[in-house]
Amino acid sequence: QKEVEQNSGPLSVPEGAIASLNCTYSDRVSQSFFWYRQYSGKSPELIMSIYSNGDKEDGRFTAQLNKASQYVSLLIRDSQPSDSATYLCAVKNQGGKLIFGQGTELSVKP
Amino acid sequence: GAVVSQHPSWVICKSGTSVKIECRSLDFQATTMFWYRQFPKQSLMLMATSNEGSKATYEQGVEKDKFLINHASLTLSTLTVTSAHPEDSSFYICSAQGTSGGRGTDTQYFGPGTRLTVL
Repeated sequence: QKEVEQNSGPLSVPEGAIASLNCTYSDRVSQSFFWYRQYSGKSPELIMSIYSNGDKEDGRFTAQLNKASQYVSLLIRDSQPSDSATYLCAVKNQGGKLIFGQGTELSVKP
Repeated sequence: GAVVSQHPSWVICKSGTSVKIECRSLDFQATTMFWYRQFPKQSLMLMATSNEGSKATYEQGVEKDKFLINHASLTLSTLTVTSAHPEDSSFYICSAQGTSGGRGTDTQYFGPGTRLTVL
């Protein structure tokens, strides 16, 4: 089992829809979770971090964390074509390293 | 805030030469810097972790004599790819984690990356 798993996609949604990106992790003691966005040919940029169970909202983005289920998700409301990118879920392990999922490619169609 | 720069953004070199990549935190002190490598269509692979003033810790399978890392100050880390070969061609990305307003943070901020092509 991979430490951090994401569906590779591609996930295709129409403009204006909600995009839902999911991630599961295997290390039960993980406490820090991150979502990064990576455009083709660019480096990752931080979207959100989340540490507590529940929802955390920032503009059109909402991160959701459920530690009991070892599940973290990212919702993008009112998706725009500019949101088309690969979204990386990252979990910090006990050694302080970020463990990345393989990323989910999102395509928002106009 | 939390800006990380890398230089150069791209480099093309001949096989057998060495290439140095710089990573700088511009507006915060980076107590820890990380070096990643990313091949096309793959996720980031951590190469090594460096703390200011101490030796880097390399991930399994990464040759420390080939990928020399120096973290001489709280704002600068360098990665030198020695005797580069075509298989070293990749996208090298650094990230930095440190303090902000006197408080530690556990968020990694990424540099823009350096695309290395070895002919």
